Amino acid sequence: NAGVTQTPKFRVLKTGQSMTLLCAQDMNHEYMYWYRQDPGMGLRLIHYSVGEGTTAKGEVPDGYNVSRLKKQNFLLGLESAAPSQTSVYFCASKDGGTVVGANVLTFGAGSRLTVL
Amino acid sequence: QKEVEQDPGPLSVPEGAIVSLNCTYSNSAFQYFMWYRQYSRKGPELLMYTYSSGNKEDGRFTAQVDKSSKYISLFIRDSQPSDSATYLCAMSPSQGGSEKLVFGKGTKLTVNP
Repeated sequence: NAGVTQTPKFRVLKTGQSMTLLCAQDMNHEYMYWYRQDPGMGLRLIHYSVGEGTTAKGEVPDGYNVSRLKKQNFLLGLESAAPSQTSVYFCASKDGGTVVGANVLTFGAGSRLTVL
Repeated sequence: QKEVEQDPGPLSVPEGAIVSLNCTYSNSAFQYFMWYRQYSRKGPELLMYTYSSGNKEDGRFTAQVDKSSKYISLFIRDSQPSDSATYLCAMSPSQGGSEKLVFGKGTKLTVNP
């Protein structure tokens, strides 16, 4: 059981380039999330999805787009990368149906992105 | 005032020490409180989960919530070098809306052998 898998683990981009981060979960979870983690800023929610075909904005959505075409996958896109998007990106998922532990997220190992 | 405040540390203790990690918050609507542990270059993993006020114990770990003071704590007894990690508190006003989940910035803990 792999849990939440993120690809790629590391990437270096030049300003203006585009890229897509892929998150895959094998737990049949309804909800999926993309966070970024920066020193001194903590975890901040970028976008999230409450089910296949749905997406919604989080706290810091500007410069990012997402898609959830399949329940198990959640893609995060950067159309024109900027140095301010240098960060560690975490994908997370959770089962929408449980009462106990309803806020418990399972995180991936992270994707380290550097924009030069 | 930020919704959740957490001292970033770093905190360095000898093996076997009792460790106290804390967060304060301003939103009285928070009811669900979590502690995540994050090892270096890894994703956060859930350590403790509590609802409303009170204590919860799991092995060497105890989570404490004082809603009247808007203060939560995580105690680690007999700390081990393997406990060296960053500890993130997180809280939410509702059981289903993880989009409303607010994280502290994390406290980095080092347990020295």
